[in-house]
Amino acid sequence: KAGVTQTPRYLIKTRGQQVTLSCSPISGHRSVSWYQQTPGQGLQFLFEYFSETQRNKGNFPGRFSGRQFSNSRSEMNVSTLELGDSALYLCASSLDGRTATGELFFGEGSRLTVL
Amino acid sequence: GESVGLHLPTLSVQEGDNSIINCAYSNSASDYFIWYKQESGKGPQFIIDIRSNMDKRQGQRVTVLLNKTVKHLSLQIAATQPGDSAVYFCAENPPSGYALNFGKGTSLLVTP
Repeated sequence: KAGVTQTPRYLIKTRGQQVTLSCSPISGHRSVSWYQQTPGQGLQFLFEYFSETQRNKGNFPGRFSGRQFSNSRSEMNVSTLELGDSALYLCASSLDGRTATGELFFGEGSRLTVL
Repeated sequence: GESVGLHLPTLSVQEGDNSIINCAYSNSASDYFIWYKQESGKGPQFIIDIRSNMDKRQGQRVTVLLNKTVKHLSLQIAATQPGDSAVYFCAENPPSGYALNFGKGTSLLVTP
């Protein structure tokens, strides 16, 4: 079956702009998590959605937001972009989101560069 | 590349040798641990996991050891192959249960 699909794979924005990233989970998976990966901080948890509800949120400013649709697809948005938002944004899907009961399946990520 | 600006710990091994990658975790209440492999340009891929009630688990060519006393994990790769070259991350599952805490990663380079 198809894996986790993230679009776009690469994008370049300028400071102050906003960006929306999309993630389609594996068919049947109802949980989608988002992680930010940077050279300095490594992989950091952004938020997790299950059945269109945000259940958990990491320590990121309110400029970072997300949502999940009824078909489990998810989007994340970053407003008022800063240079430090340049990163690889990874989406991961799982059946129920509980990280102790099953593995997360990661997409290949969306690489955002902010100029 | 993706690691510009980050000096990841790097382990260089010869093809055919065994590799050991170490990781320290932070939360003594974490009950589940996972090792991921990330190849250049790809997302992390699950390798092997272990629960806190175990101290060793074996997979195909990989073994994970857990020492809860010193909060330490290790990943052993037997007969390392060029295709094993990647960045390896350990991750711990804290009590909240919905988000993994990842380590900084170790870059494994396999030379012929």
